[in-house]
Amino acid sequence: EAGVVQSPRYKIIEKKQPVAFWCNPISGHNTLYWYRQNLGQGPELLIRYENEEAVDDSQLPKDRFSAERLKGVDSTLKIQPAELGDSAVYLCASSSRTYTDTQYFGPGTRLTVL
Amino acid sequence: GQSLEQPSEVTAVEGAIVQINCTYQTSGFYGLSWYQQHDGGAPTFLSYNGLDGLEETGRFSSFLSRSDSYGYLLLQELQMKDSASYFCAVLKANRDDKIIFGKGTRLHILP
Repeated sequence: EAGVVQSPRYKIIEKKQPVAFWCNPISGHNTLYWYRQNLGQGPELLIRYENEEAVDDSQLPKDRFSAERLKGVDSTLKIQPAELGDSAVYLCASSSRTYTDTQYFGPGTRLTVL
Repeated sequence: GQSLEQPSEVTAVEGAIVQINCTYQTSGFYGLSWYQQHDGGAPTFLSYNGLDGLEETGRFSSFLSRSDSYGYLLLQELQMKDSASYFCAVLKANRDDKIIFGKGTRLHILP
């Protein structure tokens, strides 16, 4: 069984540029999460999807971040424009049920904003 | 407010036993999970405690005491490959389900 797939693995951009991350969850997993992890910190939830519906986006900086999960499968997280403080690893995870079920994480995208 | 506290670093010797503690303060507590993350890798699930008591999975065990708002991860027969960061994560079941990760404990294994 394939795991959670994310691309790109690394991205370097200049501030004020846009950037997008893509995630394909494990087949059959209805719940998809986007996290941000800063160096030396734990993952911080940005948004959670149940199928195609964003059910928790309270931590998503909506002025510059957006996300979508068309057809309830893969998902895209976008930052526009990027700021220096957005440098972090962006992790995608999926689970078959919300939270109480095991979350499977992708390898992440390491974003560097110069 | 809500908070999770775990030690930032722990050092142990190969073959020994180590315990990583996690205390939490939150409303709507539902359960406690533990994740392992190697440098440059993705977090991987280790265990989940929804009820008080001990859960054992091979060399790893996890404990939860709801009355003390406390849990721990116990690693036995330590191996060099156990060198990683370990995160406790609180699952909240309130009006809005949430998961909150601690800052992680960096485990160093000495030969």
